[in-house]
Amino acid sequence: ETGVTQSPTHLIKTRGQQVTLRCSSQSGHNTVSWYQQALGQGPQFIFQYYREEENGRGNFPPRFSGLQFPNYSSELNVNALELDDSALYLCASSLWVETYNEQFFGPGTRLTVL
Amino acid sequence: GEDVEQSLFLSVREGDSSVINCTYTDSSSTYLYWYKQEPGAGLQLLTYIFSNMDMKQDQRLTVLLNKKDKHLSLRIADTQTGDSAIYFCAESTTGSGNTGKLIFGQGTTLQVKP
Repeated sequence: ETGVTQSPTHLIKTRGQQVTLRCSSQSGHNTVSWYQQALGQGPQFIFQYYREEENGRGNFPPRFSGLQFPNYSSELNVNALELDDSALYLCASSLWVETYNEQFFGPGTRLTVL
Repeated sequence: GEDVEQSLFLSVREGDSSVINCTYTDSSSTYLYWYKQEPGAGLQLLTYIFSNMDMKQDQRLTVLLNKKDKHLSLRIADTQTGDSAIYFCAESTTGSGNTGKLIFGQGTTLQVKP
């Protein structure tokens, strides 16, 4: 059983560019959540995808968007990058049940915006 | 609102016990978690406690929950240098209409001196 993987590991972009980050969920999981972790801070919830539909969103602007595919892998897209978007982006996969939702985290993608 | 707060830094000697504290504001929290993050790595779930429990023990880890005061603590017995990391407290709310998203504190850096 493979764990949660993310690609790329590191990425450098410039302001105004667009970026796509990828996440492969753990086998048997149907839900992916994305978090942004700025330096020195705790992770902040961006959004969650359940069975290919967005299932909740945090306080992030619409230029943060996502997709979930039939195999439950997911993408996070960020348009019009800003310097403050520099952060570690974590995805977490889980098997959604109403009573419990243990999330397993990937190693993250470190995005630097210059 | 949802807010989780932690002290930022704790230093202990190897072999001592460490106690990391956390307070949260959301009285509807269903689960409370402790995650560990080592440099350059993702988040590792250490333990969690359901909100109707007041204590959970797992090997060297003891979690205490005071629901009235919305206070959570993590005690690590016989702290080792390998325990040096950032520890995050997090809460989530499950059940109908909730995503189970995790709300994290800022993290407590634990430094273990030999």
